[in-house]
Amino acid sequence: EDKVVQSPLSLVVHEGDTVTLNCSYEVTNFRSLLWYKQEKKAPTFLFMLTSSGIEKKSGRLSSILDKKELFSILNITATQTGDSAVYLCALAGGTSYGKLTFGQGTILTVHP
Amino acid sequence: DVKVTQSSRYLVKRTGEKVFLECVQDMDHENMFWYRQDPGLGLRLIYFSYDVKMKEKGDIPEGYSVSREKKERFSLILESASTNQTSMYLCASRSGGGRNIQYFGAGTRLSVL
Repeated sequence: EDKVVQSPLSLVVHEGDTVTLNCSYEVTNFRSLLWYKQEKKAPTFLFMLTSSGIEKKSGRLSSILDKKELFSILNITATQTGDSAVYLCALAGGTSYGKLTFGQGTILTVHP
Repeated sequence: DVKVTQSSRYLVKRTGEKVFLECVQDMDHENMFWYRQDPGLGLRLIYFSYDVKMKEKGDIPEGYSVSREKKERFSLILESASTNQTSMYLCASRSGGGRNIQYFGAGTRLSVL
């Protein structure tokens, strides 16, 4: 059974700080790992990672995958209050129907 | 832009009622999913559908059923609602093929009293 564990479960920082969110996984047949951001509405897609060592970047957010050690990290630099959200890590493995296994999520709170 | 629309944002029902949660997507996606989201547990898959009239159980299907009569619409049915089904319900869709990105609706917060 595929498994995803995120850490920390919650994090409180001040604007301007840099944060690193962790996602470790166990999988039978790896297809890809995805990161989502969820504010008080629909989770929105951030990144999809399929290959080790290749950084995906979008503005102040970046993510990288290590398929040997079975983890991924999501970095946010120069945090802003608008970064406050739940960050979800999800694993696509197994069947071709695109089923995702989600971690518990990390609740990030950014104070002014 | 992909749009996934869930019919209600908030719903309050009584124990024993039959509850329908509706989800519509506008991108001709083949695959659709229903999750529930609870604090500390993340998103858990209830059911998914890979084509019209086709469905498969997810990780926690007990107490739920689904219907997909048209490609764009996927319904989640609680046959007899119970208090432990109080939760946030999220619908998602995905195009077929190799891309695993799922697009989510805004969610329905269901309270069963």
